[in-house]
Amino acid sequence: DGGITQSPKYLFRKEGQNVTLSCEQNLNHDAMYWYRQDPGQGLRLIYYSQIVNDFQKGDIAEGYSVSREKKESFPLTVTSAQKNPTAFYLCASSPGQAYGYTFGSGTRLTVV
Amino acid sequence: GQNIDQPTEMTATEGAIVQINCTYQTSGFNGLFWYQQHAGEAPTFLSYNVLDGLEEKGRFSSFLSRSKGYSYLLLKELQMKDSASYLCAALRGGYSTLTFGKGTMLLVSP
Repeated sequence: DGGITQSPKYLFRKEGQNVTLSCEQNLNHDAMYWYRQDPGQGLRLIYYSQIVNDFQKGDIAEGYSVSREKKESFPLTVTSAQKNPTAFYLCASSPGQAYGYTFGSGTRLTVV
Repeated sequence: GQNIDQPTEMTATEGAIVQINCTYQTSGFNGLFWYQQHAGEAPTFLSYNVLDGLEEKGRFSSFLSRSKGYSYLLLKELQMKDSASYLCAALRGGYSTLTFGKGTMLLVSP
């Protein structure tokens, strides 16, 4: 079955450490996105990529980095520069504008 | 700038009808999506409106007025499993990205 997979589901890291969240899709979608969700804040766009080897900053890109070396994969690195990294991270993909997004099941990151 | 407003919480009774409103101000508007999200899970697609009017899909309907920057999601014959957060999202055509509201938490009681 086609879908979008995020791993791990829960992740714990010590403050000051970089951490990479995985996102893989086998839907053959061109576009992929990373959102962050905090209580009472809704989903906020971190980075997005509409084609391989190209990506753009979203509304809250500071402290994050991404790569898009393969169509299927769009990993997100949360760096030590991110001031409040503890959050629920959602990856999504889309075949085009009118089709909306298919979301992964999310990764809950806790930094202690 | 982008701004999407929807109520924070709503309550309703099983079997009833509820309407969740959403107002938006966004540049390059190219359509309005509604998603459902249960706690701790991924959002799932409910509806997409790009033209003015009502789109009906089973128990769920969605309405859009582009001139008023207004949409609503109508849920009929409410069931306990409809208790969830409902997210309104505007599509920015130039960037093909979705800008989300903060979500409306709907609690359905017996």
